[in-house]
Amino acid sequence: AQTVTQSQPEMSVQEAETVTLSCTYDTSESDYYLFWYKQPPSRQMILVIRQEAYKQQNATENRFSVNFQKAAKSFSLKISDSQLGDAAMYFCAYRSVLNNNDMRFGAGTRLTVKP
Amino acid sequence: KAGVTQTPRYLIKTRGQQVTLSCSPISGHRSVSWYQQTPGQGLQFLFEYFSETQRNKGNFPGRFSGRQFSNSRSEMNVSTLELGDSALYLCASRAGLASQETQYFGPGTRLLVL
Repeated sequence: AQTVTQSQPEMSVQEAETVTLSCTYDTSESDYYLFWYKQPPSRQMILVIRQEAYKQQNATENRFSVNFQKAAKSFSLKISDSQLGDAAMYFCAYRSVLNNNDMRFGAGTRLTVKP
Repeated sequence: KAGVTQTPRYLIKTRGQQVTLSCSPISGHRSVSWYQQTPGQGLQFLFEYFSETQRNKGNFPGRFSGRQFSNSRSEMNVSTLELGDSALYLCASRAGLASQETQYFGPGTRLLVL
């Protein structure tokens, strides 16, 4: 079964600085999707960025970018120019193409942004 | 478009009771998934419904059940509540079943079992 691991329970970053959140996953499949979701204190989960496994180019969404290393099964999220509003729980998630009903989430990383 | 809505937002029940949670997906979305979120176990997949059919089910006991109506609204039921069922229950919808489709989450229902 696929598992998603986020080894950093908590991270902290100074406002305007850059922070990288780690995520690794375990799968024997070659085709899948990876996601980063953000859950602010209000609890509404929001999609931050998505990566398709068959695309070598790393996804980017404004200040958010990923470093996708398929061979290493690593999918880290880089947040540039951190803002106070970035403070939240960040979840890494995996969805198989073969069994696309099943989405697996990591345990989450709590990001604190210091002014 | 209105987002995913969940009712009620907060619920307090006692052990042994049953509870029904409701989820209204984004208009036009036909897939609804349910997740349980707890500090200890994180986000765990409960089940997904598409066109009134359960497509997949996570590793939860039979006390957890759900259904989907013809208008894509979904309900989740937990019978014989246990203390460990206290959690945030999240509902998410997506347009169809394609793997690349984004899931949009609701605000959740926080259930406390006493």
